[in-house]
Amino acid sequence: QVHLVESGGGVVQPGKSLRLSCAASGFTFSSYSMHWVRQAPGKGLEWVALTSYDGTHKYYADSVKGRFTVSRDNSKNTLYLQMNSLRSEDTAVYYCATLRAGPADCWGQGTLVTVSS
Amino acid sequence: DIQLTQSPSSLSASVGDRITIACRASQSISIYLNWYQQKPGKAPKLLIYAASSLQSGVPSRFSGSGSATDFTLTINSLQPEDFATYYCQQTYNTPPTFGQGTKLAIK
Repeated sequence: QVHLVESGGGVVQPGKSLRLSCAASGFTFSSYSMHWVRQAPGKGLEWVALTSYDGTHKYYADSVKGRFTVSRDNSKNTLYLQMNSLRSEDTAVYYCATLRAGPADCWGQGTLVTVSS
Repeated sequence: DIQLTQSPSSLSASVGDRITIACRASQSISIYLNWYQQKPGKAPKLLIYAASSLQSGVPSRFSGSGSATDFTLTINSLQPEDFATYYCQQTYNTPPTFGQGTKLAIK
């Protein structure tokens, strides 16, 4: 059974950094591209970042480009999101997801990041 | 980036009703369109993929149709557990954008 668990969220001051993790199980993690999607309080879903299955290709939303870095460790079945220079508008629940059409689609439960002084 | 526009943004309906939600893409995306359901405090759940394929375990009262730029999600005979927010999403190219969402409320 495909399973994703995010961790690392919390309250952080503007301008500071935070690293999120996503532990995967139940599937061949190293074969899947992986995504981060976020949802600000009361708002819709916003795609944030994508890494290819082997980590060689990465893509970012314009809103986080240059500040966030997605990475993965296939030996640990773990996805990461390094978030630097955080802003109040980055406050959201962050989900990791496979975004695979069909049975392999899976989302974690989400981790809340609050950027506030 | 491909823009997805859902309509309506919200609607009210009663148990047993049939409803439709539309999603329009800013350019042709073939059938690379998925539909998600999200309940408060929960992660989104895939309902329909490739425009019209029902995800395993999803009740048959949910159906999807369309291609190119115009897509529809239909829910027949609404059940109490269907009241939620629905999002369309395209995977035709990167970034995989979402519609703004449609909130379905009980009348």
